[in-house]
Amino acid sequence: QVQLVQSGAEVKKPGASVRVSCKASGYTFTSYGINWVRQAPGQGLEWMGWISAYNGNSNSARKLQGRVTMTTDTSTSTAYMELRSLRSDDTAVYYCALGYLDYWGQGTLVTVSS
Amino acid sequence: SYELTQPSSVSVSPGQTARITCSGDVLAKTYARWFQQKSGQAPVLVIYKGSERPSGIPERFSGSDSGTTVTLTISGAQVEDEADYYCYAAADNTGVFGGGTKLTVL
Repeated sequence: QVQLVQSGAEVKKPGASVRVSCKASGYTFTSYGINWVRQAPGQGLEWMGWISAYNGNSNSARKLQGRVTMTTDTSTSTAYMELRSLRSDDTAVYYCALGYLDYWGQGTLVTVSS
Repeated sequence: SYELTQPSSVSVSPGQTARITCSGDVLAKTYARWFQQKSGQAPVLVIYKGSERPSGIPERFSGSDSGTTVTLTISGAQVEDEADYYCYAAADNTGVFGGGTKLTVL
């Protein structure tokens, strides 16, 4: 069965960076892309970006361009999302999701606080 | 950039039909997906390609589309269907979610 297991919660100071991992299993990793979605407390879902696990092509939401980097490691079937220059409004649960968002990870809470 | 608009809330009594709409120009060029999110949980796909149900999703969930508006219908809504529902579409390598609709069943 498809599983996406994400790394644990993080607490960061403003201006720092965070990297969230998403380890995939139960399917051929390079056959599908990985999307990243976040949800601020009490708010809706926000699409952050997408990366192809086949060739590494990616695209991110305009508001995050320049601060977000998505990568994959095909040797470990793991996707990564790094967000830099963190601000308080980056506090959110971050999700990875497979393909057309058919399967989701459990979410990773990132708290940005001084 | 694309936008999708949903009503903020819908309320029905158990057994009634709930309808949640989602509007946006991007829906004229691509299918919508619908997600259910219960409190504290990750979203779950309930409708894809506008009207298809993944395995395990009850038949009372259905989807339809008309131009730039899509509708999620829950026929005979149950108390356990109370959740937030989001529409989603992707075009030009960019994804967008609607703002979400809180469905109350009581």
